[in-house]
Amino acid sequence: QVQLVQSGAEVKTPGASVKVSCKASGYTFTINGISWVRQAPGQGLEWVGWISANSGDTNYAQKLQGRVTMTTDTSTSTAYMELRSLTSDDTAVYYCARDVFYRFEYWGQGTLVTVSS
Amino acid sequence: QSALTQPASVSGSPGQSITISCTGTTSDVGGYNYVSWYQQHPGKAPKLIIYEVSKWPSGVSNRFSGSKSGNTASLTISGLQAEDEADYYCSSHTSSNTRVFGGGTKLTVL
Repeated sequence: QVQLVQSGAEVKTPGASVKVSCKASGYTFTINGISWVRQAPGQGLEWVGWISANSGDTNYAQKLQGRVTMTTDTSTSTAYMELRSLTSDDTAVYYCARDVFYRFEYWGQGTLVTVSS
Repeated sequence: QSALTQPASVSGSPGQSITISCTGTTSDVGGYNYVSWYQQHPGKAPKLIIYEVSKWPSGVSNRFSGSKSGNTASLTISGLQAEDEADYYCSSHTSSNTRVFGGGTKLTVL
């Protein structure tokens, strides 16, 4: 069965960077893309960006352009999202999701990133 | 890209039907049939319940149904059950090849 397993919770200070991983199994990793979605405490879902697991092409939410980088390692079927220059506004649960024709078909369990001094 | 517009909350009694709207623009909801809906229970990851406006993923109850008219998509839940109490989000592909979510709707089953 399809599974997306994310790395554990992170606590970072303002200005630092965080890199979250998402290991896929149960399907051919390079067939689909991976989107990243975040959810601040008590808030709604926000799309962060997308990466093609086949070509490595990316597309990021405009508000995060310049601070976010998404990559994949096809040898381990793992996607990564790095976010730099963290502020308290970046405190959220970050989800990866298998992106199939613009729908988020399967989701990881989420990774809580807390930014605090 | 502005978030799609959803009502903040809706409610209904068991057995009743409710509808949640999701309004966008011609650059997202109105321009593509790539509208999807997600159910999220507290502390859990979202779950896909409708895709491409009105299609069901495998294993999802047909009590959930979707439609679209112009720039507004809708999710209808019929035969409300206590387990349907959750947050619901719509999402759409956009003309910028990005994705956008609605602000979310809290469903309360009375």
